[in-house]
Amino acid sequence: GAVVSQHPSRVICKSGTSVKIECRSLDFQATTMFWYRQFPKQSLMLMATSNEGSKATYEQGVEKDKFLINHASLTLSTLTVTSAHPEDSSFYICSARTGGQPQHFGDGTRLSIL
Amino acid sequence: GQQLNQSPQSMFIQEGEDVSMNCTSSSIFNTWLWYKQDPGEGPVLLIALYKAGELTSNGRLTAQFGITRKDSFLNISASIPSDVGIYFCAGQLRGNTGKLIFGQGTTLQVKP
Repeated sequence: GAVVSQHPSRVICKSGTSVKIECRSLDFQATTMFWYRQFPKQSLMLMATSNEGSKATYEQGVEKDKFLINHASLTLSTLTVTSAHPEDSSFYICSARTGGQPQHFGDGTRLSIL
Repeated sequence: GQQLNQSPQSMFIQEGEDVSMNCTSSSIFNTWLWYKQDPGEGPVLLIALYKAGELTSNGRLTAQFGITRKDSFLNISASIPSDVGIYFCAGQLRGNTGKLIFGQGTTLQVKP
């Protein structure tokens, strides 16, 4: 149980493109979803916390207009990187949890901006 | 802000050896979690700890929630090549947001 699916697994696109990443909880309803960014050989850095039906809470230093988060249902959250530039290239990972359970992670999205 | 100090940063061991890694913090956590991350994938939950002093096993893995609620360790017994990866501890603060603070990770390499 507790399967989280993230799509796409890899994106390569030109600078200025907006990219949408989906995160789905497949076998449970996620009251909260989280979005992380991970640079090579580093730990996970929390970008934002998303609760279904409400606005996401962004961590300090994360631009909410740059990284748009939508959490329209209990099984789906999306992260849109708007007008992506090479410095946005990274590994983006989502996680989901319900109730007092631990976070379960998707397999990540490798974003490469040319 | 809150920080978790995870050590060691990396380990290179022989197959069959036991491994130990730990996390400490100046903050009190109500939950400790241990995850493993393989290259290019998301972290996978190994063990969750919910009570101070709790000792929990998952196969060859054993983890403990420190009595002070500020530390945790993970042991791997009789390591095998597929144990290779990055291990992260994560602490969850009091409250119900579910937000985690992650350690810096321990990179484990196992020589067959």
